[in-house]
Amino acid sequence: QAVLTQPSSLSASPGASASLTCTLRSDINVDTYRIYWYQQKPGSPPQYLLRYKSDSDKQQGSGVPSRFSGSKDASANAGILFISGLQSEDEADYYCMIWHNSAVVFGGGTKLTVL
Amino acid sequence: QVQLVQSESELKKPGASVKVSCKASGYTFSNYAVTWVRQAPGQGLEWMGWINTNTGNPTYAQGFTGQFVFSLDTSVSTAYLQFSSLKAEDTAVYYCARGKGLCSEYNCYPEYWGQGTLVTVSS
Repeated sequence: QAVLTQPSSLSASPGASASLTCTLRSDINVDTYRIYWYQQKPGSPPQYLLRYKSDSDKQQGSGVPSRFSGSKDASANAGILFISGLQSEDEADYYCMIWHNSAVVFGGGTKLTVL
Repeated sequence: QVQLVQSESELKKPGASVKVSCKASGYTFSNYAVTWVRQAPGQGLEWMGWINTNTGNPTYAQGFTGQFVFSLDTSVSTAYLQFSSLKAEDTAVYYCARGKGLCSEYNCYPEYWGQGTLVTVSS
């Protein structure tokens, strides 16, 4: 089982909101991890969006709009990237990441389509 | 401002070697680790490991030992990724990235990225 699991795709309408999930393997507890989120558009490197561990331990990336926010669903053992007021420019691949066993681990990515 | 500028795309034959460069500017090179990330065509991100820019000590992720070598030239603030015995499955974009400091639990996440170097292996 992968350390981080993300749905492969998600679609939403302009102006709507989207919740992208990043589920941790069942033997590791989401509460103990900082979850990092990246956005990648075709032909470009990933861009750091934000990190979230708790409401008192979170950071927005430089220049990242407040429409992007992080949270967790402890019952699902998952990190969540929430995007409000979706715009066409938000169409991209989104990756979550954690630091686990002294290594960076990325999720498989979610392709967000805004249509 | 922080910039990481990588070398141009490479087309190599199977069995050849390649060396990708990553030139840093806008910050003190030795204060921040350089990490390497691979992205195969149409696939996700894979962390390859990192190099301590203070000591030159490399750390390779599982699955990236043996074939890949991280190195530095601190005199020109440049990190290198070299790999040999190229196979078609090594075809990918290779990114360098800078974290928040020297790699540890809260510092290793890639914050700034190079533009990527496409390495194509084909006969």
